Amino acid sequence: GDSVTQMEGPVTLSEEAFLTINCTYTATGYPSLFWYVQYPGEGLQLLLKATKADDKGSNKGFEATYRKETTSFHLEKGSVQVSDSAVYFCALTGANSKLTFGKGITLSVRP
Amino acid sequence: GAVVSQHPSWVICKSGTSVKIECRSLDFQATTMFWYRQFPKQSLMLMATSNEGSKATYEQGVEKDKFLINHASLTLSTLTVTSAHPEDSSFYICSAISGGLEAKNIQYFGAGTRLSVL
Repeated sequence: GDSVTQMEGPVTLSEEAFLTINCTYTATGYPSLFWYVQYPGEGLQLLLKATKADDKGSNKGFEATYRKETTSFHLEKGSVQVSDSAVYFCALTGANSKLTFGKGITLSVRP
Repeated sequence: GAVVSQHPSWVICKSGTSVKIECRSLDFQATTMFWYRQFPKQSLMLMATSNEGSKATYEQGVEKDKFLINHASLTLSTLTVTSAHPEDSSFYICSAISGGLEAKNIQYFGAGTRLSVL
């Protein structure tokens, strides 16, 4: 079945540091890939998405590129802010529209 | 656009009582809604998928008589936790998919409901 693997956390960075959060996937066919963010005590918000190979999703300074050859969708941001502190989930949908989530990773950004 | 409202955001109830959680799509028609459960510091676990006008499809291990789902209209789905017990305490999150072809596989999430059963 489909699966998503995220790097182990938590991750703690200083403000303005470069961020990379790794995500790889296993799926049949051509899934759509997503990054969702969850701020403390809240539901999930769609951060960015990519629906086909080589697509780059971007939003709020975050970027991720759909790499079919490496089955990856790593999340990057050039300069993190304290307000980026949250839990980040990588996810995919297959043909049935069900979301398969990674375990999530907590990012803490120090001033 | 694509706003999903979930209510209540927090509920405390006594053991043995039933609790209803509402999930509404505010600015689009949701052909499919999903209900998830999230334990502290863990990922989301899909409980069930509901399509408007039909019975919900429950994931393996989820008791359908315990977690009643009704998707009576294209903008409203409800989850009722019947005879709640302390082990049902959790964060419940709904999501919805727009019927529009362009956004067919994007799920928009509600803010979640924290249920505490005493």
